[in-house]
Amino acid sequence: SSVLTQPPSVSVAPGQTARITCGGTNLEIITVHWYQQRPGQAPVLVVYDDSDRPSGIPERFTGSNSGNTATLTISRVEAGDEADYYCQVWDSSSDHWVFGGGTKLTVL
Amino acid sequence: QVQLVESGGGVVQPGGSLRLACVASGFTFSTYGMHWVRQAPGKGLEWVAFTRSDESKKYYADSVQGRFIISRDNSKNTLYLQMNSLRGEDTAVYYCANAVMTSGSWPPGYWGQGTLVTVSS
Repeated sequence: SSVLTQPPSVSVAPGQTARITCGGTNLEIITVHWYQQRPGQAPVLVVYDDSDRPSGIPERFTGSNSGNTATLTISRVEAGDEADYYCQVWDSSSDHWVFGGGTKLTVL
Repeated sequence: QVQLVESGGGVVQPGGSLRLACVASGFTFSTYGMHWVRQAPGKGLEWVAFTRSDESKKYYADSVQGRFIISRDNSKNTLYLQMNSLRGEDTAVYYCANAVMTSGSWPPGYWGQGTLVTVSS
């Protein structure tokens, strides 16, 4: 089954760009989704199908997927972006939905 | 707007059972696949189960296969999770979520606020 690897933490100053990676074997041939979870809140889908944004999600959130790595990029980072971010894929070989371990984004 | 409200959580002894419910509104529940996802205290997200809109297919994480049952009542806009033979490692906040039906991989889309299940003697 799929195993997704995320860095435990990423730090960035306000106004800068944050990049959160998600690694997995042959990731480019499956679609990756990203969730934001602020402290004490439920997760929110911020990017699906590698690079699509649900309605209401700012354009500052973009996704890409190439090779064995998917990336969530957050431009012009704000204090309110401080949260845990999870990548997720569907493993068609097992019909399981799999989450990465999560990355804590700290805004300095 | 989409609303998902979970209920049924609480404290249960190891080996016991609990039934969670998730009432949906703001979308056509009967046409959406639905997920349960859980999060142990201080840990990451773990997918638990999925049902298609008509219950024709159901899938479970290996950790709950044979112990948990996902079901739904489309006439009541309600999703359920029957949890049996509960273990300490099942302690978590349980979220229901609808699936993004425009995606080929049906990821969880909108999430409820969750209900806490604590398995302890």
